[in-house]
Amino acid sequence: AQSVTQLGSHVSVSEGALVLLRCNYSSSVPPYLFWYVQYPNQGLQLLLKYTSAATLVKGINGFEAEFKKSETSFHLTKPSAHMSDAAEYFCAVSSTGFQKLVFGTGTRLLVSP
Amino acid sequence: EAGVTQFPSHSVIEKGQTVTLRCDPISGHDNLYWYRRVMGKEIKFLLHFVKESKQDESGMPNNRFLAERTGGTYSTLKVQPAELEDSGVYFCASSQDSSSEPIFSYNEQFFGPGTRLTVL
Repeated sequence: AQSVTQLGSHVSVSEGALVLLRCNYSSSVPPYLFWYVQYPNQGLQLLLKYTSAATLVKGINGFEAEFKKSETSFHLTKPSAHMSDAAEYFCAVSSTGFQKLVFGTGTRLLVSP
Repeated sequence: EAGVTQFPSHSVIEKGQTVTLRCDPISGHDNLYWYRRVMGKEIKFLLHFVKESKQDESGMPNNRFLAERTGGTYSTLKVQPAELEDSGVYFCASSQDSSSEPIFSYNEQFFGPGTRLTVL
């Protein structure tokens, strides 16, 4: 069975500061890993994905994540937070490209001026 | 191109009543998924359609939930009778046809805005 753990239900940063959202996964097979973002009153939007190619994955809006097999982690980072980054972020895992996504509990990012 | 749409955006019903949620996937997407997020918890998979067939319904909580996908287009999720614990946000997602893709590729799931269901 697969699972995802997101540490911290809320993360607060100042505008311009580093964003670090943590995700650890458990999977018995090589995983596909994803980060999704949900802005208020919108659906989930794919930020980036890892599908066994490069371990450092770059996504939209300046976000990136690094797959570390030894640590079973896929943490999301952004060098400089912007007010528009305030949203809820979800890490997810899948065993293939077409099967269900298993999500973490989400992390709400708060950005202060 | 229109994205995934869901109707209604909000629904408030009383325990014991019936509610039907609708999802219209992106045109041409054969894969359709339903997920649910109960307050404060993770988003959980309910089921997966490939065209009109149920590929995986392992996440359906019980037989009070019935999902259909008529003609491989839109899908409905009916809850009958609704219970308090059914409250949450129901998301629908769709992705392109998988039959022609190699197994190691990935088809992005595009999500709708969700339906917020409140059972009183």
